Amino acid sequence: AQTVTQSQPEMSVQEAETVTLSCTYDTSESDYYLFWYKQPPSRQMILVIRQEAYKQQNATENRFSVNFQKAAKSFSLKISDSQLGDAAMYFCAYRSASGGTSYGKLTFGQGTILTVHP
Amino acid sequence: EPEVTQTPSHQVTQMGQEVILRCVPISNHLYFYWYRQILGQKVEFLVSFYNNEISEKSEIFDDQFSVERPDGSNFTLKIRSTKLEDSAMYFCASSDGGLGQGAGEQFFGPGTRLTVL
Repeated sequence: AQTVTQSQPEMSVQEAETVTLSCTYDTSESDYYLFWYKQPPSRQMILVIRQEAYKQQNATENRFSVNFQKAAKSFSLKISDSQLGDAAMYFCAYRSASGGTSYGKLTFGQGTILTVHP
Repeated sequence: EPEVTQTPSHQVTQMGQEVILRCVPISNHLYFYWYRQILGQKVEFLVSFYNNEISEKSEIFDDQFSVERPDGSNFTLKIRSTKLEDSAMYFCASSDGGLGQGAGEQFFGPGTRLTVL
């Protein structure tokens, strides 16, 4: 079974600075997807960024980028130019891309609470 | 922009009572999911549903739980006899593809907060 680990329960950053959230995962599969979801106080789950394991290039979405290290099974999220609205819980998630018994379920990490200081 | 909706936003029930949580997935989506998040904890997969049947379920999804797509739009989660430990946020999600490269992103609803007293 796949596991996702976020070792930073809490992180903080100054507005306009850069912060990196860590995520490691364990899987025996070679083809999969990785995601970062943001959960603000409203508790709505919002997709921030997605990475396909077969792609070597790291995904970027505006101020959000990832550092995907497939061999190390590491998937960190970098937030540049942090804004007050970035404050939220961030979850790393894994999804298999192969068939079999996994029909697209997401496996989440424990989450990292990000605080942004003005 | 299409979105997943869930009702009610908050449900309070007595232990032992049955509850039905409702979701309206995005209209052209084919894959449906329920997840649970106990306060302060991680989001956990409950069940996936495709082609009018359960595709996969977790250990949490025991005989007290059931899912149904009673018509072309709604997707429901029923808890037959609620327990205190069922208190959690329940998220519905849908996607237009479940497997393979290019598989669809899961869009989440806003959640239903279930409180069991």
